[in-house]
Amino acid sequence: QPVLTQPPSASASLGASVTLTCTLSSGYSNYQVDWYQQRPGKGPRFVMRVGTGGIVGSKGDGIPDRFSVLGSGLNRYLTIKNIQEEDESDYHCGADHGSGSNFVWVFGGGTKLTVL
Amino acid sequence: EVQLVESGGGLVQPGGSLRLSCAASGFTFSDHYMDWVRQAPGKGLEWVGRTRNKANSYTTEYAASVKGRFTISRDDSKNSLYLQMNSLKTEDTAVYYCARIYSSFGYMDVWGQGTTVTVSS
Repeated sequence: QPVLTQPPSASASLGASVTLTCTLSSGYSNYQVDWYQQRPGKGPRFVMRVGTGGIVGSKGDGIPDRFSVLGSGLNRYLTIKNIQEEDESDYHCGADHGSGSNFVWVFGGGTKLTVL
Repeated sequence: EVQLVESGGGLVQPGGSLRLSCAASGFTFSDHYMDWVRQAPGKGLEWVGRTRNKANSYTTEYAASVKGRFTISRDDSKNSLYLQMNSLKTEDTAVYYCARIYSSFGYMDVWGQGTTVTVSS
């Protein structure tokens, strides 16, 4: 099954842009990855799914146009433009693997985004 | 409004049992696969398991860390999802979330607010 790696932290100034990275382990370059936002003390919220061709399906409810994704090689990126205070959150990436009785879901360790 | 509300968390001793519930509203619960995901204090998300819908025989899958100890079930007539946790260990301490699976693409598109389970003597 794939391993998803995320840097533990990132920061950006109010109004700036930031790109968060989720890296798949070798051999899984065709996998799609989901991004989830988790504000302090809240449950996760679906942002969007990304493959090598970009977004897959639709953004989650209420996700602004400032959020976009890109996929390249083993990396899946989430870019946030014009960062707002409410974007300060933990961002988790996740992916499913296998089917039937071999199905599992894996998450990265999460990236804590601080808005300066 | 589409909503998931977890309940049933609490303090339990190691080796004990606990049953969590997830009440669904605002959508056709019976159509969807449903997952449980947990988050230990200060840690990332960990997938616990999945139940599929009636069309897929309500089959279940589990993470290796809980297989044989946890059981996921559902009652479509009550729009409810359950997680029976037995032989609890201190490392099962976490906030437990239920999540709806969006049928067309398989991502977790709706989440609850979570219920806290603490395993301690």
